[in-house]
Amino acid sequence: AQKVTQAQTEISVVEKEDVTLDCVYETRDTTYYLFWYKQPPSGELVFLIRRNSFDEQNEISGRYSWNFQKSTSSFNFTITASQVVDSAVYFCALSEARAAGNKLTFGGGTRVLVKP
Amino acid sequence: DVKVTQSSRYLVKRTGEKVFLECVQDMDHENMFWYRQDPGLGLRLIYFSYDVKMKEKGDIPEGYSVSREKKERFSLILESASTNQTSMYLCASSPQDRTINYGYTFGSGTRLTVV
Repeated sequence: AQKVTQAQTEISVVEKEDVTLDCVYETRDTTYYLFWYKQPPSGELVFLIRRNSFDEQNEISGRYSWNFQKSTSSFNFTITASQVVDSAVYFCALSEARAAGNKLTFGGGTRVLVKP
Repeated sequence: DVKVTQSSRYLVKRTGEKVFLECVQDMDHENMFWYRQDPGLGLRLIYFSYDVKMKEKGDIPEGYSVSREKKERFSLILESASTNQTSMYLCASSPQDRTINYGYTFGSGTRLTVV
């Protein structure tokens, strides 16, 4: 069975600090997708990134970067020079390629609080 | 602007009531999902549907049912609401594509309180 673990329930930082969110996953499939979503206080989850299991290249998008390591089954997310607008709950998710309906399994989420 | 729309942002219902949560998407997506979100538990899948009139149980279907009579609409039904169903309910949709998983588009959520 697939499983996603986000060990950090809440992280508090001061603006401009870097913050790294951990995500560890379990799957028996060799083909799968990993996602990160952001949930701001408004409630709607916003897609941040998708990565398939065959692409281990790390990715950078502005202040956001992702480190995918199959050897440790981890897909960590770093926010560089955090801003107050980064305050949100962040979810990591996994979808096995053979999953009916492309359904996602989510981690418990990490709440990030960025203080001015 | 493509959207998933949930009919209510906040709902308060009494124990034992039958509750309908409605979700509509305008992206012609085949797949639709209902999750509930609780602190520390993340999002847990209740039911999903990959086609009209088709449904499959997720991880926590007990106490819920669903209806999908039209492609764009997916309803979650609480047959007899209980206080332990107080939660945030999130609807999502995705296209059915066997070559790539695009992930979901989410609605804004319905915060249901059962008293």
